Amino acid sequence: SQQGEEDPQALSIQEGENATMNCSYKTSINNLQWYRQNSGRGLVHLILIRSNEREKHSGRLRVTLDTSKKSSSLLITASRAADTASYFCATDAMEYGNKLVFGAGTILRVKS
Amino acid sequence: NAGVMQNPRHLVRRRGQEARLRCSPMKGHSHVYWYRQLPEEGLKFMVYLQKENIIDESGMPKERFSAEFPKEGPSILRIQQVVRGDSAAYFCASSPRQNEKLFFGSGTQLSVL
Repeated sequence: SQQGEEDPQALSIQEGENATMNCSYKTSINNLQWYRQNSGRGLVHLILIRSNEREKHSGRLRVTLDTSKKSSSLLITASRAADTASYFCATDAMEYGNKLVFGAGTILRVKS
Repeated sequence: NAGVMQNPRHLVRRRGQEARLRCSPMKGHSHVYWYRQLPEEGLKFMVYLQKENIIDESGMPKERFSAEFPKEGPSILRIQQVVRGDSAAYFCASSPRQNEKLFFGSGTQLSVL
């Protein structure tokens, strides 16, 4: 299985609700990043959280990191239809050498 | 400052032909990454380059695939003698520092007939 695995695979919510996506990984990391991808487009960087950080905020986004559980969560508050996209976590880990390893992603659908 | 530019956006090749995918990183970025994505899947790492050097090519098949990032000009991902299984979206990304905040291009959708 992959270094980063997102959960759930798919999430459907109503506009205005909060969306929480989780990412689990296997090895010690230098940093963990979250990206968004709209259909047919390239990925857009959202947040980077370092291994010595526990929480970061950016607008309506909140990312937490629990290195003891090797997991991270991405919370999108007050979701909008425009938040509909796939969300990926990516880890930078010594064990995986020089590459940023992406998970399979969570497909988020926000219904208006 | 223009973003990461990839071309062509779509590329159609017949089996056995060569595919050349180009990527111009953001200005000032010396780190370039190539990823491959199949429908409904995540990105699979292929190769990481810095100017004129291949740093990590562990995700790239040993045969038919090659990548370069010359001192002048774009990074090129080259696939020789394409097969149907090569059909995928190929994304290039660049960053100012290794493995931090990658900026992605819009990708090249390769279709092999």
